[in-house]
Amino acid sequence: DQQVKQNSPSLSVQEGRISILNCDYTNSMFDYFLWYKKYPAEGPTFLISISSIKDKNEDGRFTVFLNKSAKHLSLHIVPSQPGDSAVYFCAAGNAGNNRKLIWGLGTSLAVNP
Amino acid sequence: NAGVTQTPKFQVLKTGQSMTLQCAQDMNHNSMYWYRQDPGMGLRLIYYSASEGTTDKGEVPNGYNVSRLNKREFSLRLESAAPSQTSVYFCASSALGPDDYTFGSGTRLTVV
Repeated sequence: DQQVKQNSPSLSVQEGRISILNCDYTNSMFDYFLWYKKYPAEGPTFLISISSIKDKNEDGRFTVFLNKSAKHLSLHIVPSQPGDSAVYFCAAGNAGNNRKLIWGLGTSLAVNP
Repeated sequence: NAGVTQTPKFQVLKTGQSMTLQCAQDMNHNSMYWYRQDPGMGLRLIYYSASEGTTDKGEVPNGYNVSRLNKREFSLRLESAAPSQTSVYFCASSALGPDDYTFGSGTRLTVV
C-alpha cells in the first residue's frame, strides 16, 4: 500500500512552458514534504521542501504547493529548461521522525527544446 | 569533490555469496543512510545511523547488516545474497535532516 503516490510515470513539456508534477499521500501524520531530482547514474539531489504549516514554497523557478485537505502536493517548474529533464521524486515524513521518509515512485520529466 | 562515495558501482553475486557495500562521506555529517531502489517501488530505507556509534533499522532491514565504522564510513553487508536483493543501493548522509541529504551515485547489485 503506497503512502506516497506519483500517478504519472512520465511527463513531456516544451522548453519555456510550465511543468507540473503531482504527488498524493494517504498518511495524515506526514507534516514535511520534499522533492528530489535524479539524473541517470547519479543519486537524487534535494530540490525543494515544504512543511504542513505552509501551502506554498518558492525557490527560483521551482514552486511547491501543498493542499492538506486533499492530501496533494505539486511541483511547478516555470519556465522549464532542457536541463530539468530528470526523474522527480516526491517524499514525505514526519518532522519529528524525519529520518524515515516515504518516497513516491518518481515522474520522469522530459523538456523538449 | 566533497560528497558521498560508494563502492563498488556494479556487482554481480551468486545466491548465497556475501559482500559489503562501502560508503564514505567527507562532509562531516552526523547521519548516514542506506536505501534501495527497485522498479515499481520508491526508495526504501534499509538502515540508518543517526550518529557515530548508533544504527537503527529502517523499512526493509531483513537480510542486511550495517556498521558505522567511524563518522565518515557506513557499510552495508549482505551475509547470504538472495535474488530478491537485486537492486540499486544508495547511501546518503545528512547534517540536519532530509532536506540536506547528499546521496552517492549508487551501487547496482545483481544476484543470480
